[in-house]
Amino acid sequence: DTAVSQTPKYLVTQMGNDKSIKCEQNLGHDTMYWYKQDSKKFLKIMFSYNNKELIINETVPNRFSPKSPDKAHLNLHINSLELGDSAVYFCASSQAGVNSPLHFGNGTRLTVT
Amino acid sequence: GENVEQHPSTLSVQEGDSAVIKCTYSDSASNYFPWYKQELGKGPQLIIDIRSNVGEKKDQRIAVTLNKTAKHFSLHITETQPEDSAVYFCAASIDSSYKLIFGSGTRLLVRP
Repeated sequence: DTAVSQTPKYLVTQMGNDKSIKCEQNLGHDTMYWYKQDSKKFLKIMFSYNNKELIINETVPNRFSPKSPDKAHLNLHINSLELGDSAVYFCASSQAGVNSPLHFGNGTRLTVT
Repeated sequence: GENVEQHPSTLSVQEGDSAVIKCTYSDSASNYFPWYKQELGKGPQLIIDIRSNVGEKKDQRIAVTLNKTAKHFSLHITETQPEDSAVYFCAASIDSSYKLIFGSGTRLLVRP
């Protein structure tokens, strides 16, 4: 009965590779997000989607391409991975925008070597 | 854009003592202020939130206060327990902005 689930939990890959992270929520929420948490624990918004439409793209390099096939899914594809992309990526969802509680997944730890 | 500053970065208290974490925000239009708790290996989880039309909110051992004039808000945890040990984040957002801005986090350690 996991509310927001992300796969994989861990991802280790080499520079230059392309990888994807999947996210699904079963809460019936309209809004989904990707956040990046660096080694110092800073949580930074990357993308916000509402009803499958991109609302926020927070100056993320275009190597990162989110895709929302439906309201329950928001996947993140990353091309040409760089060392600086190493971080924990969190997917989240909320009922309607950020002024309702965000429900986070347990994160995907990406390590680029 | 909105900027949220959080202090202290680490806080160590004895079990049973109180803990206070403080945040300031920059955008006076912000009107929603949630607090999240992040345990090791997990995603952040909402513990309490407050809206700009309220000055204080309490839920058992946790309370949040908001001073809109000074653009400050604080989290108060009373009678701390070892299971309160985690990283706590404050955040702020503006209605319909679709952007929740987080503070830098406070690592709370409750010593038994």
